[in-house]
Amino acid sequence: AQTVTQSQPEMSVQEAETVTLSCTYDTSESDYYLFWYKQPPSRQMILVIRQEAYKQQNATENRFSVNFQKAAKSFSLKISDSQLGDAAMYFCAYRSGGGGADGLTFGKGTHLIIQP
Amino acid sequence: DTGVSQDPRHKITKRGQNVTFRCDPISEHNRLYWYRQTLGQGPEFLTYFQNEAQLEKSRLLSDRFSAERPKGSFSTLEIQRTEQGDSAMYLCASSPLFRAGFTGELFFGEGSRLTVL
Repeated sequence: AQTVTQSQPEMSVQEAETVTLSCTYDTSESDYYLFWYKQPPSRQMILVIRQEAYKQQNATENRFSVNFQKAAKSFSLKISDSQLGDAAMYFCAYRSGGGGADGLTFGKGTHLIIQP
Repeated sequence: DTGVSQDPRHKITKRGQNVTFRCDPISEHNRLYWYRQTLGQGPEFLTYFQNEAQLEKSRLLSDRFSAERPKGSFSTLEIQRTEQGDSAMYLCASSPLFRAGFTGELFFGEGSRLTVL
């Protein structure tokens, strides 16, 4: 079974600065997807960014980018120019590839605090 | 389509009562998932459907829990004889079948929060 580990229960960053959230995972599969989801307080979980394991290029979405290290099984999220609206729980998640029906396996989350 | 919707958003009940949650997935999505999320934790998989067939159930899904997806559209999650340990957020998510352009993403509803007194 796959596992996802987020070792930072909480992170704090000053507005406009950069923060990196860590995630490691364990799998024996070669084909899979990795995701970062954001869950604001009392709001639904929304996708921030995703990465297919077969792609060597790191995904980027505006101020959000990932550092995907497949051999090290590491998938960190970098948020540049942090904004107050970025404050939320961030979950790293894994999904098997190949069109499998497996859902997502989540880490325990990192609570991101943005200091004004 | 407005996304995945769940009802009710919040349910408060007394121990021993039965509760039912409903999820309406994105209309063209064949796969539907139920997750449970307790405070400060990541979501944990409960069960999933492909169309109307329930294909997998987690060990977390005790005999008091039952889920259905009649006609492969909306789904219900019923908890019988609720216990205080059932207090959690119950999340529903949907996903299309694998095809060209598949992204692997699950689309989540806002969740149904259960409080058992």
